[in-house]
Amino acid sequence: RKEVEQDPGPFNVPEGATVAFNCTYSNSASQSFFWYRQDCRKEPKLLMSVYSSGNEDGRFTAQLNRASQYISLLIRDSKLSDSATYLCVVEFMDSNYQLIWGAGTKLIIKP
Amino acid sequence: DVKVTQSSRYLVKRTGEKVFLECVQDMDHENMFWYRQDPGLGLRLIYFSYDVKMKEKGDIPEGYSVSREKKERFSLILESASTNQTSMYLCASSPGGSTYSGNTIYFGEGSWLTVV
Repeated sequence: RKEVEQDPGPFNVPEGATVAFNCTYSNSASQSFFWYRQDCRKEPKLLMSVYSSGNEDGRFTAQLNRASQYISLLIRDSKLSDSATYLCVVEFMDSNYQLIWGAGTKLIIKP
Repeated sequence: DVKVTQSSRYLVKRTGEKVFLECVQDMDHENMFWYRQDPGLGLRLIYFSYDVKMKEKGDIPEGYSVSREKKERFSLILESASTNQTSMYLCASSPGGSTYSGNTIYFGEGSWLTVV
């Protein structure tokens, strides 16, 4: 079983709609969580960190559910420019520090 | 703005060739990383370095080596390229110590390597 799992998609969503996707993780000792955005043939860039209480940045909301071991990303009023792959990243420390990357969820916003 | 520069964006090499991928960062970061990214897989760590001349193996170091002679420069070397090393390679840097976290990593634009 992969340590960090994401639905690869693609999610095809009309412009203006709300879309949400999840990321599940297997290590209960995971400490911190992040969402990165990656455009086609570009490098990943930090979208937002995910806090225990949930956090919002404009149209984007990230939530953490430790009991069920998943994080979520919700995008409201989606724009064409939101089309990208969204990578989930989980950070934990056991014998050494580890950063585990999900394979990403591809999102396509259609006009 | 942090800038991580990878010298080659697209390379085509023959099986058995020695390949150098160069990466330079301009933010005086202690940590530097080399990842590879393949379809359907998350980023996988090849090697990282937390200081000049220091290196640590990541999850998939086989077939690769690295060099860090200067703080700003981290090179990935494929001693004898093979077709299964066709991939996108991403260099990254981050500050060291307690400031290092998953939200302080900065990536270069990536190098697309095809081995034929």
